[in-house]
Amino acid sequence: RKEVEQDPGPFNVPEGATVAFNCTYSNSASQSFFWYRQDCRKEPKLLMSVYSSGNEDGRFTAQLNRASQYISLLIRDSKLSDSATYLCVVVTGTASKLTFGTGTRLQVTL
Amino acid sequence: AAGVIQSPRHLIKEKRETATLKCYPIPRHDTVYWYQQGPGQDPQFLISFYEKMQSDKGSIPDRFSAQQFSDYHSELNMSSLELGDSALYFCASSLQPPLDRGLNYGYTFGSGTRLTVV
Repeated sequence: RKEVEQDPGPFNVPEGATVAFNCTYSNSASQSFFWYRQDCRKEPKLLMSVYSSGNEDGRFTAQLNRASQYISLLIRDSKLSDSATYLCVVVTGTASKLTFGTGTRLQVTL
Repeated sequence: AAGVIQSPRHLIKEKRETATLKCYPIPRHDTVYWYQQGPGQDPQFLISFYEKMQSDKGSIPDRFSAQQFSDYHSELNMSSLELGDSALYFCASSLQPPLDRGLNYGYTFGSGTRLTVV
């Protein structure tokens, strides 16, 4: 079983739709959580950190549930430019290396 | 703003050859991470360095080695290349600790080196 699991999708949604991605992690000692976005053949780029209190950045809302070891990302009013792969990323241990989920592919269409 | 610089962007090598990938972190970042991403795969952690010392090791083959130099740039050396080594190799840098009193320094990735072994 992978340490970080995501539904690979693809999620095909029309422009303006609201879409939610989920992610689960297996190591209860994990201490930091992020959502990264990766466009085809490009490097991952930090989208937002995820805090237990929940955090919002414009159309994006991230939530962390430590008890269930579950992370979510909500995208409202989807834009064509949101089409990408969204990677759930977890940091565990003192070396602080990132462990990536397999990514969820989003395709926003007209 | 300066980003993480990787070179070369593309590299084609034959089986059993060697390759050297370079990474120049963001100025003042003290930690470098190397990741390998195969086609359709998520990035897999290879190795990291903090203050020029190896800090963690992941699924890096014995044929690969890496180091961080006094100017904090890092090189990934790959020998006896195999077809399965064809992948995107990303370098990321950060300033330790990555999270400090709620501040998120984050990790910044370079554009990657696409290695093709033929």
